[in-house]
Amino acid sequence: DTGVSQNPRHKITKRGQNVTFRCDPISEHNRLYWYRQTLGQGPEFLTYFQNEAQLEKSRLLSDRFSAERPKGSFSTLEIQRTEQGDSAMYLCASSPIRGGAAKNIQYFGAGTRLSVL
Amino acid sequence: GQQLNQSPQSMFIQEGEDVSMNCTSSSIFNTWLWYKQDPGEGPVLLIALYKAGELTSNGRLTAQFGITRKDSFLNISASIPSDVGIYFCAGQSGTSYGKLTFGQGTILTVHP
Repeated sequence: DTGVSQNPRHKITKRGQNVTFRCDPISEHNRLYWYRQTLGQGPEFLTYFQNEAQLEKSRLLSDRFSAERPKGSFSTLEIQRTEQGDSAMYLCASSPIRGGAAKNIQYFGAGTRLSVL
Repeated sequence: GQQLNQSPQSMFIQEGEDVSMNCTSSSIFNTWLWYKQDPGEGPVLLIALYKAGELTSNGRLTAQFGITRKDSFLNISASIPSDVGIYFCAGQSGTSYGKLTFGQGTILTVHP
């Protein structure tokens, strides 16, 4: 396994369009996280899954955002009616649930850079 | 959203010099992590700290988990050009399903 995989790497869209990103976590990692990172800032937490269950959503995740992890493996993040303020890097991370302290380590994908024109 | 206070914001150093950066928070964290991010890529884990007072090394990198559990620092010794990048601290509390709270990052430039 080569790590967390995110597709596409780049997405350019027009304001008002819907976009969907995909994240494939490291095999057997039960936990999956989505973060958003804008230029010059650190990543900010959006939402978190343990297996299929979405256990926490940030206030940053407006009604236009929805995330799913239907089979407990890959996850999708959809943004409806995109706005220019949605332009950012969207990062996915996964972590194992077993292994003592190792359960806290999150491994990140390369991200999807979204540009809304 | 909440972020940790990370300093300095940027550093310009000569190859071979040592580097120190730190992170402070008003909240207690159970885990401190340090990541490095290259342009257009995701953060890569450098060091993880799990106990207050813990000092951990990874090659030329050394990090410490503050006694108060509200701060951490990262040192890089004998810097080399490939150390260039953005360094982020991240804290994890025990109460929120493992979400990470990140600092604003320290941009490191190393002149050969």
